[in-house]
Formats: sequence, structure tokens, C-alpha cells
Amino acid sequence: RKEVEQDPGPFNVPEGATVAFNCTYSNSASQSFFWYRQDCRKEPKLLMSVYSSGNEDGRFTAQLNRASQYISLLIRDSKLSDSATYLCVVTPGSARQLTFGSGTQLTVLP
Amino acid sequence: DAGVIQSPRHEVTEMGQEVTLRCKPISGHDYLFWYRQTMMRGLELLIYFNNNVPIDDSGMPEDRFSAKMPNASFSTLKIQPSEPRDSAVYFCASSSRDRGLYEQYFGPGTRLTVT
Repeated sequence: RKEVEQDPGPFNVPEGATVAFNCTYSNSASQSFFWYRQDCRKEPKLLMSVYSSGNEDGRFTAQLNRASQYISLLIRDSKLSDSATYLCVVTPGSARQLTFGSGTQLTVLP
Repeated sequence: DAGVIQSPRHEVTEMGQEVTLRCKPISGHDYLFWYRQTMMRGLELLIYFNNNVPIDDSGMPEDRFSAKMPNASFSTLKIQPSEPRDSAVYFCASSSRDRGLYEQYFGPGTRLTVT
């Protein structure tokens, strides 16, 4: 079983739509959680951290459910520029390194 | 401030040849990470350094791979001899304990093709 699993998609949505991505992780000792964004043929970039209480950054909302070992990302009023691959990222236990999911591809259509 | 710099951006080589990838982290960052990304396996951590010292190299696939960090501003990842299955995009990333350890800044990557 992979440490971090994501639905690969692709998700094709019209502009203005709301879209949600899910991610599950296998290590219950995982401590920190993030969403990274990767544009086509570019490097990954941090989108946002995920806090236990849930957090919002503009049109983006991240949620964490430790009991179910589940992370989500909600994008409201999607824009063409949101088209990218979204990577769920977990820190396994006390280790310092990041473990990346394989990513969910989003295409926002005009 | 300049971001993470990697060179070369593209490398095409023949099987059996030595390949050296280079990375300059962001100035002041004390952690440096080497990743490999393929369609099949996604983004995998190969090795990471803290203050120029290798901390965890458990992701290095085999002895053909080696990494060094002789100083705070330079690191290399070497593959010798290279094989077609090494074809991938290799990313270098750096982070700083002061700025949030888990916010890693990635370089543009080196796209390696081994024929």
C-alpha cells in the first residue's frame, strides 16, 4: 500500500465550478500535511499547509481528518490558471522529509 | 533572492556514461533534498542533507547513485554508470528551519534521458 494515495484524475471542470480532491495516508504517526501544486513540466510549489482545524486561503480550503487519515482540498470558483497537478504531501512521523502522493490532475475548461 | 538553481536543465546521454547533476540551494537554507520524478513512481526522495551532512540516503536506488555536498552552496548527484531506467526529472529542493522546515523550494529540475 502506498504511504499517500490520491485519485489521479483527471478532473475536467468548467470555469467557476467547485472541485474537491481527496487524499489518504497510511502512517497514523504522520504529523504535518500540505498541498503542493505542480504545473506541467515545472517544479512543485507549496500551495498551503493543512491544519487540524481546517484552513482557508482565498478560494482554497484544506481539511484534515486524523481519525480517518484523510486530507482534502476544495477549490471554489475555479479559474483557468488553477489547471495543474495537485500533490498531497505528508511528513511521516518524526522524520524531516516529505512524502508526496502521485498527484491529482485538474484541468479547468473555458 | 535567486531560487534554487540546477544544471544542466536537460541531459541526454548513452547507457554506461557518467552523469553529474548540479544544484545550488537558496542562500541561507540549511536543508537540501534530491528527488526523482517519473510517471510510474511519482516524486521520490533520494537523499537529503542538513548543514552539508547526508542525513538519510535510504531512497538512493543503488550504488550507481551518489550525492555530495562539499559546501553550503553546492551539491551534486552522480549516476555512474547510467541506465535507461534512470531517465526521469531530477529535482533539487532546499528549505530552512527558520522559514518553516517543511516549505521546500524546488529548482526547475534536470530532465535526464538515457538512451
